[in-house]
Amino acid sequence: QKEVEQNSGPLSVPEGAIASLNCTYSDRVSQSFFWYRQYSGKSPELIMSIYSNGDKEDGRFTAQLNKASQYVSLLIRDSQPSDSATYLCAVNEGSQGNLIFGKGTKLSVKP
Amino acid sequence: GAVVSQHPSRVICKSGTSVKIECRSLDFQATTMFWYRQFPKQSLMLMATSNEGSKATYEQGVEKDKFLINHASLTLSTLTVTSAHPEDSSFYICSAHGTSRYEQYFGPGTRLTVT
Repeated sequence: QKEVEQNSGPLSVPEGAIASLNCTYSDRVSQSFFWYRQYSGKSPELIMSIYSNGDKEDGRFTAQLNKASQYVSLLIRDSQPSDSATYLCAVNEGSQGNLIFGKGTKLSVKP
Repeated sequence: GAVVSQHPSRVICKSGTSVKIECRSLDFQATTMFWYRQFPKQSLMLMATSNEGSKATYEQGVEKDKFLINHASLTLSTLTVTSAHPEDSSFYICSAHGTSRYEQYFGPGTRLTVT
């Protein structure tokens, strides 16, 4: 059974701090990794994708991938209260592009 | 960007009736769409993969005769919940691939309540 594991949280950080979200996955052949943000009562929104080892930065977000350790993370710099949401890690599976989702980490940014 | 719409956004129906949910890719063609279900405070659960012009692939435990999926064009997939029961009440979300093979873009979701 292929799995994606995330700490459910809640993770609480003060406004302006760096929020660090972590994810591990079980399938060594996975090649594509994604972070989605889901506000309460809304559908997920894609915020980052990463395919190669190392860091990928986009604005205040940095995704980090380490395939040897089967680990992917998301850093949010200068966290804002509007970043408060559940963050879902997703990993591709299969030739049709199915994604396996973690259960999500709930982030709370306190003003 | 890749925009996916869903209709309706909310629906309330009586037990035993059927409900159809539409999922459309607005600015791109989607040969593959996905249907998910999410119960409160739980993660997304993939129900089925919908392929244009062919039968959908259902995940284990999902009844294909209860959740009918039709993907008749490159921009439209529909999910019909037949003979709905209160336990079918959930948040149903579709997604589609964008230009990158594995990136999935989600519709806004449909909240189904069966009374």
